[in-house]
Amino acid sequence: AQKITQTQPGMFVQEKEAVTLDCTYDTSDQSYGLFWYKQPSSGEMIFLIYQGSYDEQNATEGRYSLNFQKARKSANLVISASQLGDSAMYFCAMREPRGSTGFQKLVFGTGTRLLVSP
Amino acid sequence: DAGVTQSPTHLIKTRGQQVTLRCSPKSGHDTVSWYQQALGQGPQFIFQYYEEEERQRGNFPDRFSGHQFPNYSSELNVNALLLGDSALYLCASSLFGGQREAFFGQGTRLTVV
Repeated sequence: AQKITQTQPGMFVQEKEAVTLDCTYDTSDQSYGLFWYKQPSSGEMIFLIYQGSYDEQNATEGRYSLNFQKARKSANLVISASQLGDSAMYFCAMREPRGSTGFQKLVFGTGTRLLVSP
Repeated sequence: DAGVTQSPTHLIKTRGQQVTLRCSPKSGHDTVSWYQQALGQGPQFIFQYYEEEERQRGNFPDRFSGHQFPNYSSELNVNALLLGDSALYLCASSLFGGQREAFFGQGTRLTVV
């Protein structure tokens, strides 16, 4: 079964600095997708970035980039130039490969709380 | 373009009662998934609906049931509520066959007292 591990319960960063949030995953499948979501205190899960297992380039979306190291099974999120509004919970998730039903679900880690200070 | 909308946003119920949560998917999406997020945890998959049928189910008891309507909206029903059912319930919509992100609603925060 797929598993996502986020070992950092909390991270602190100063405004305008970069921060890396760690994520490792466990799967025996060759085809999978990795996601990062941001969850502010309001509760909504906001999609940040996606990396497919066959993507050769690391994904980037504005200030977010995903450091994908397939052999190490890690998919760390890098946030450059942190802003106060980045303070939130961050979840790493894996999309299970499409099974016989054709349907997929997301498996989430336990999250990392990021606090950005002025 | 409206995103995923859930109602109500907050709900307080008593043990043993039944509750219904609602979700309208993002325009153009046909698949709805429900997740339960206990305090301090990541979301856990409950089940997924497509073409008005439950297609996949996580490790949740039969007290959790759902429905999808012809307009793709969905309901999550929980019977015989337990204190442990207190959680944030998230609805996610996606397009069947899509490879990328699922879009989530803001969630319904259920408190069972």
